[in-house]
Amino acid sequence: DTGVSQDPRHKITKRGQNVTFRCDPISEHNRLYWYRQTLGQGPEFLTYFQNEAQLEKSRLLSDRFSAERPKGSFSTLEIQRTEQGDSAMYLCASSPVGGQQFYEQYFGPGTRLTVT
Amino acid sequence: AQSVTQLDSQVPVFEEAPVELRCNYSSSVSVYLFWYVQYPNQGLQLLLKYLSGSTLVESINGFEAEFNKSQTSFHLRKPSVHISDTAEYFCAVSDQGNTPLVFGKGTRLSVIA
Repeated sequence: DTGVSQDPRHKITKRGQNVTFRCDPISEHNRLYWYRQTLGQGPEFLTYFQNEAQLEKSRLLSDRFSAERPKGSFSTLEIQRTEQGDSAMYLCASSPVGGQQFYEQYFGPGTRLTVT
Repeated sequence: AQSVTQLDSQVPVFEEAPVELRCNYSSSVSVYLFWYVQYPNQGLQLLLKYLSGSTLVESINGFEAEFNKSQTSFHLRKPSVHISDTAEYFCAVSDQGNTPLVFGKGTRLSVIA
């Protein structure tokens, strides 16, 4: 078990470009969450999945943001037409459903996005 | 909607001194409470959690937190800090356990030799 991984770790892009981030959860974790963290703030929830079903997406910041988890394993978060205000750390977390660790979310190292 | 307030953005403390990091949440019928720690250049790690039962919960590295329902608080304490405890600490709450977490803004603990 290597933990939650995210790729890339850093992304620099120009305003107006599209970016896509990938998250690989801990194997057999059914739930996968995306959060965003800006400087001086705690993580802010964006969306989450149980297996391939997206259970909540109303917190995605705008219609430029979308996420999917097509096979219930890895997930991608896409930001279209990036803006400078999108610069932040994007965090992924996963958790099992059931079992002793049911309530524990395990976080990846994050992808730091810088929009120039 | 649930919210979390961490009253101190920065807490400097000398090594081997006690420390308390404060956390208050907005009231709810049933909440689950968490403290996460983020060491420099590392990801968030779960430090301890309160789900039910004893209101005092402990971590393996000497931290403890006490759930106080009447004061809607979940303060984190350690009787004697080490340099290695220098990190950012986040308090988080969820209404139904395995649902999205609501985080506070974090408290940066700096331990001074």
